[in-house]
Amino acid sequence: DGGITQSPKYLFRKEGQNVTLSCEQNLNHDAMYWYRQDPGQGLRLIYYSQIVNDFQKGDIAEGYSVSREKKESFPLTVTSAQKNPTAFYLCASSIVYGAVNTEAFFGQGTRLTVV
Amino acid sequence: GQQVMQIPQYQHVQEGEDFTTYCNSSTTLSNIQWYKQRPGGHPVFLIQLVKSGEVKKQKRLTFQFGEAKKNSSLHITATQTTDVGTYFCAGLNQGGSEKLVFGKGTKLTVNP
Repeated sequence: DGGITQSPKYLFRKEGQNVTLSCEQNLNHDAMYWYRQDPGQGLRLIYYSQIVNDFQKGDIAEGYSVSREKKESFPLTVTSAQKNPTAFYLCASSIVYGAVNTEAFFGQGTRLTVV
Repeated sequence: GQQVMQIPQYQHVQEGEDFTTYCNSSTTLSNIQWYKQRPGGHPVFLIQLVKSGEVKKQKRLTFQFGEAKKNSSLHITATQTTDVGTYFCAGLNQGGSEKLVFGKGTKLTVNP
């Protein structure tokens, strides 16, 4: 089955620890994204990548880091510098169709709780 | 930077009533997309609008893209309990970076 997979679904970490969220897609999509979702805040863009070995900061990149070493993988690291990391994290991917991206496919999400 | 505003934030309706959510961008968009997120789920793509003034229908759902390509709306006729969820619009900035910017969403609840 083609799709986008996030793991784990639930993650608990102690305050001050870095944690890496996995995102893998086998859709052969060029573009990948990380969003953070908080109640009443909608989806806020953390980082995005249009091509391997290249990525750009979104609106709330502080305290996060990413890498794009392979087309199918776009892991997100939540560092100890992120002041309020507890949230629902969504990874998405889309085809880059000329200059206009087509629809975004989302993973099931990872709910991170920092205690 | 580009901002996408969506109203209302919440909407409660009786089953059978109509529902509309509105989306406005601070910049001209090359396209706008609509997503639905069921409670506990992830956003799922509904539709994409590209042309100025475009109107598209999916059964009871009608999507519109404004003439200036800065606003959009989603209208649901005769809501059903299966319509429950949060509806997001997402805009792609014309001539700008290739990233989707989401509105905050409208959470729809339907009383049977």
